[in-house]
Amino acid sequence: SQKIEQNSEALNIQEGKTATLTCNYTNYSPAYLQWYRQDPGRGPVFLLLIRENEKEKRKERLKVTFDTTLKQSLFHITASQPADSATYLCALDFTGGGNKLTFGTGTQLKVEL
Amino acid sequence: EADIYQTPRYLVIGTGKKITLECSQTMGHDKMYWYQQDPGMELHLIHYSYGVNSTEKGDLSSESTVSRIRTEHFPLTLESARPSHTSQYLCASSDTREQETQYFGPGTRLLVL
Repeated sequence: SQKIEQNSEALNIQEGKTATLTCNYTNYSPAYLQWYRQDPGRGPVFLLLIRENEKEKRKERLKVTFDTTLKQSLFHITASQPADSATYLCALDFTGGGNKLTFGTGTQLKVEL
Repeated sequence: EADIYQTPRYLVIGTGKKITLECSQTMGHDKMYWYQQDPGMELHLIHYSYGVNSTEKGDLSSESTVSRIRTEHFPLTLESARPSHTSQYLCASSDTREQETQYFGPGTRLLVL
């Protein structure tokens, strides 16, 4: 079955540093991969989508890479701020376009002053 | 801020009661979803709909049922609540024209005693 693996341990970094989160998946390579942010007690919020034919995508301080050979996506937050503290979820559609997303467990990021 | 609403936000109810969780979106999205999420765990898709009168079960088996009579409304019903149904329920919607981004509601936290 399809599996998504994200670092289960929380990531603690200092303000101003770059945070890098990892998403690995098994088996079938999806057509696209998405990253969401989730704050405690709230629904996820979409951040970025990257397609299989795109190596890299940027949005302000966010950067996502997608390596279909390694079956891995990296999510970077540059110049991190305490307000970036949240859980970041990786999501993939393994159904080939039906948009039934499978979510990873997420990685909790804590940015300290 | 996404225009997707869920009520109630919190619900404490006794075993055996029938409950309906409401979800509405004003974006005209054709696709809607229900996810279940336990604390610290991943989201699991329990129901989805590609349009009016279209509903399908998700990857996680659930005793709940859904209906889609109107585009903007996707209620979830539990005929007889049990303690095992205690969880957070998240509703989402998406539009094929928007790169399959899913917009989430704030969630309903359900506690069955």
